Amino acid sequence: GQQVMQIPQYQHVQEGEDFTTYCNSSTTLSNIQWYKQRPGGHPVFLIQLVKSGEVKKQKRLTFQFGEAKKNSSLHITATQTTDVGTYFCAGHGNKLVFGAGTILRVKS
Amino acid sequence: GAVVSQHPSWVICKSGTSVKIECRSLDFQATTMFWYRQFPKQSLMLMATSNEGSKATYEQGVEKDKFLINHASLTLSTLTVTSAHPEDSSFYICSARRLAGFTGELFFGEGSRLTVL
Repeated sequence: GQQVMQIPQYQHVQEGEDFTTYCNSSTTLSNIQWYKQRPGGHPVFLIQLVKSGEVKKQKRLTFQFGEAKKNSSLHITATQTTDVGTYFCAGHGNKLVFGAGTILRVKS
Repeated sequence: GAVVSQHPSWVICKSGTSVKIECRSLDFQATTMFWYRQFPKQSLMLMATSNEGSKATYEQGVEKDKFLINHASLTLSTLTVTSAHPEDSSFYICSARRLAGFTGELFFGEGSRLTVL
C-alpha cells in the first residue's frame, strides 16, 4: 500500500541554525501537504504543493515538491524557538497518508 | 478560517466503560470527517472516515465494533470507544475538509486524550 517515509525522526538544532525534513512516497502523489503540531497541540496546515518541481516559501520556510512528485522537503532557515514542534508531511495518492513526523527542538 | 472543535479534550475512565468523543465543524458543513489516533511522539494513524448519513469506512485493523462512529449531521461526528481497555489509551483527533471531495487542507480538532485505568 501507499507509504510515506519521513526523516529524520528527531532534530536538535541551535537557534539560528537551519533545519530540513524530508519525505519520500512509495507512489506518485497528486499533492503533498505539510502540517505543524506544537507540543500538546493539534496539527495545523502549513501548505500544499501540487505541481512537479514546485517550490513555495513562507517567510523562513521553503517547501519543495520533487520532479517525480514522490518526494518533498521542508527547510527552515535560521530556526527560532517558536519553530519547535513536530512537522508532518502528508502525501495524497489514493488517500492522504501521513509521514512519521520530524520532532524539532531548538536550543536557545 | 475553518474551525473544528473536539470534546472532551481529555477523559479518564475505568476499564470496561464506553467513552464518546464529539467532533464538530463550527463554521462549515463537513460531509466527511476523519478520525485519527496518535501515540506519543508518533504519527497520525487514520482509523476511519466518517460519512454523513452513511456507514463509516474503517481502515484495515481497526475494529468497527470497538470504535463506533456516527455522523448524524453535517456538522457533527462522534467516536465511541466501547468497553475501553488500557491499551485504548491514546490521543484521538478528528479532522475535516471544508469542501466535499476536495483534496485540500485538513482542519483538525484539538484532540481528545483518553486514559483508561
